[in-house]
Amino acid sequence: AQKVTQAQTEISVVEKEDVTLDCVYETRDTTYYLFWYKQPPSGELVFLIRRNSFDEQNEISGRYSWNFQKSTSSFNFTITASQVVDSAVYFCALSDIAGGGADGLTFGKGTHLIIQP
Amino acid sequence: DTGVSQNPRHKITKRGQNVTFRCDPISEHNRLYWYRQTLGQGPEFLTYFQNEAQLEKSRLLSDRFSAERPKGSFSTLEIQRTEQGDSAMYLCASSSSGGAPEAFFGQGTRLTVV
Repeated sequence: AQKVTQAQTEISVVEKEDVTLDCVYETRDTTYYLFWYKQPPSGELVFLIRRNSFDEQNEISGRYSWNFQKSTSSFNFTITASQVVDSAVYFCALSDIAGGGADGLTFGKGTHLIIQP
Repeated sequence: DTGVSQNPRHKITKRGQNVTFRCDPISEHNRLYWYRQTLGQGPEFLTYFQNEAQLEKSRLLSDRFSAERPKGSFSTLEIQRTEQGDSAMYLCASSSSGGAPEAFFGQGTRLTVV
């Protein structure tokens, strides 16, 4: 069985602060994908990034960066110089590769990020 | 292409009534998923289609729920004899088996059963 844990239910920071969202996962699969999605108040889940289990290279995209550590089963997400528009619920998700995605995504419960002006 | 489209956006129904939701995926995507999301939770997988074939169903999908994708394009999700516990956001997502694995989501249908 797969499980994704996002221990931080809500985080509130002041604009321009850096913030890290934690994600820990459990899976018996040897190959898998990890994802981060953003859900603004409008409700639509917006895809942010995907990582493969066999590629532990960290990634930076503008103000966003991701730290994937297979040894600790973690896939953390950092926003640098946060902005009010970053306020949303962020979800970490996991899917297997061998099954071809037939079981869909396993999501964490999400972290509600509040950026105060 | 404008992305995944879901209709209606909101639905209020009385307990015991049947409801049907529609999802139009991204046109070149052959994979389609339905998820349910309740307040304060992440989305939970309900069912998966590859083209017109329904290949996977979660145990969350009781016999009051049925989904179809008759021509491998749009999909419908029907809930019969709705219960208050069915109140949730129903999300549709699509992806391509031949391309990147990430799924793209619609804005969802929020169901309220009164």
